[in-house]
Amino acid sequence: QLHLQESGPGPVKPSETLSLTCTVSGGSIESRSHYWAWIRQPPGRGLEWVGSIYHSGSIHYNPSLKSRVTMSVDSSKNQFSLNLTSVTAADTAVYFCARYAIFGAVINYWGQGTLVPVSS
Amino acid sequence: DIQMTQSPSSLSASVGDRVTITCQASQDIKKYLNWYQQKPGKAPNLIIYDASNLDTGVPSRFSGSGSGTDFTFTINSLQPEDFATYFCQQYDGVSLSFGGGTKLELK
Repeated sequence: QLHLQESGPGPVKPSETLSLTCTVSGGSIESRSHYWAWIRQPPGRGLEWVGSIYHSGSIHYNPSLKSRVTMSVDSSKNQFSLNLTSVTAADTAVYFCARYAIFGAVINYWGQGTLVPVSS
Repeated sequence: DIQMTQSPSSLSASVGDRVTITCQASQDIKKYLNWYQQKPGKAPNLIIYDASNLDTGVPSRFSGSGSGTDFTFTINSLQPEDFATYFCQQYDGVSLSFGGGTKLELK
């Protein structure tokens, strides 16, 4: 059974960089059939796709966040990561890592999510 | 970007009722529309994929239909465990986007 687990340093101050890592177990991040994604959800609100990465390095970012987002894959550790720069309170959210199929983008595995508060 | 308009944003219903949620895409997304259920404090859970296909283990009281820009999600004979928030999600081959969600509450 595939398992995804988000990890990160906790609260972030405004203007700093939010960094998260997703560790994948029970399966390979080098799957040819799947993308790996970050999806966030501000408290009490809806879901927002942040970006997606394929193990070979193909990356897609949400245009509204593209100037501040960087994603990467570390196949040796079966992990992928998110960096979001110049954060504000609007970036406070539960951040989920997830896996979806290349065809149809069916998200069938999610991490439990981690709340990242942005506060001074 | 493809925008997803989901309605209603909230819905009150009773056990045994039939409820319908709609999602409209700003562009043709063919059949690439998925529906998720989310309970408080949990990650979303896939219910329907490719507009009308029930995920494994999902009860048959859930159904979906539509293609192109207009999609419908229906729950027949609501059960207590169905009260949750539901989201639609599209894929245009590059980007993903979600509807705003429908919170289904017990009347």
